Amino acid sequence: KNEVEQSPQNLTAQEGEFITINCSYSVGISALHWLQQHPGGGIVSLFMLSSGKKKHGRLIATINIQEKHSSLHITASHPRDSAVYICADNFGNEKLTFGTGTRLTIIP
Amino acid sequence: DTGVSQNPRHKITKRGQNVTFRCDPISEHNRLYWYRQTLGQGPEFLTYFQNEAQLEKSRLLSDRFSAERPKGSFSTLEIQRTEQGDSAMYLCASSSSGTGVSGELFFGEGSRLTVL
Repeated sequence: KNEVEQSPQNLTAQEGEFITINCSYSVGISALHWLQQHPGGGIVSLFMLSSGKKKHGRLIATINIQEKHSSLHITASHPRDSAVYICADNFGNEKLTFGTGTRLTIIP
Repeated sequence: DTGVSQNPRHKITKRGQNVTFRCDPISEHNRLYWYRQTLGQGPEFLTYFQNEAQLEKSRLLSDRFSAERPKGSFSTLEIQRTEQGDSAMYLCASSSSGTGVSGELFFGEGSRLTVL
């Protein structure tokens, strides 16, 4: 069964801390997506990756194919980073299977 | 282009009524996706169009649900005889190149349905 699991479910940190959110998937991937969802529902695509590492500003996404594991890191976290972060895998087809999300709260 | 647009943003209806949601994708995107998200959960795939062809439907899409994309542009998602379990956020996304590693999905703000 194609499954995506995230941890932790909730994460609260102080401004400036280094944040790590984890994602595990059940079978080999084609593309692993990281997305950000703000209150009210809007979802923004952050990264798509199938190997290695990608960086955009303070956000870094890594993936370990052998371990079927991906991480999203946020450096120098800021209250505006507070959101739900969701990973999703397309498992080689057009539909995405999503994790349940990690709710991140950054306290000033 | 202002991105993916969904209407209405909020809909409150009584059980048994029919509701219709509309999604206007980014104009050059040939792929359109519908997802459903309940509170505290990640989105769940409902259906996918490439141009006007509906290529995949989830088991979640019972016979009360129907989606169309008649001219390969906007899409509608209709729910007939709504049930309280249909209460959720209905999300639309579009893409020019799919969900693979070279693709990117652009999501609308969602349509929140509350069935009383």
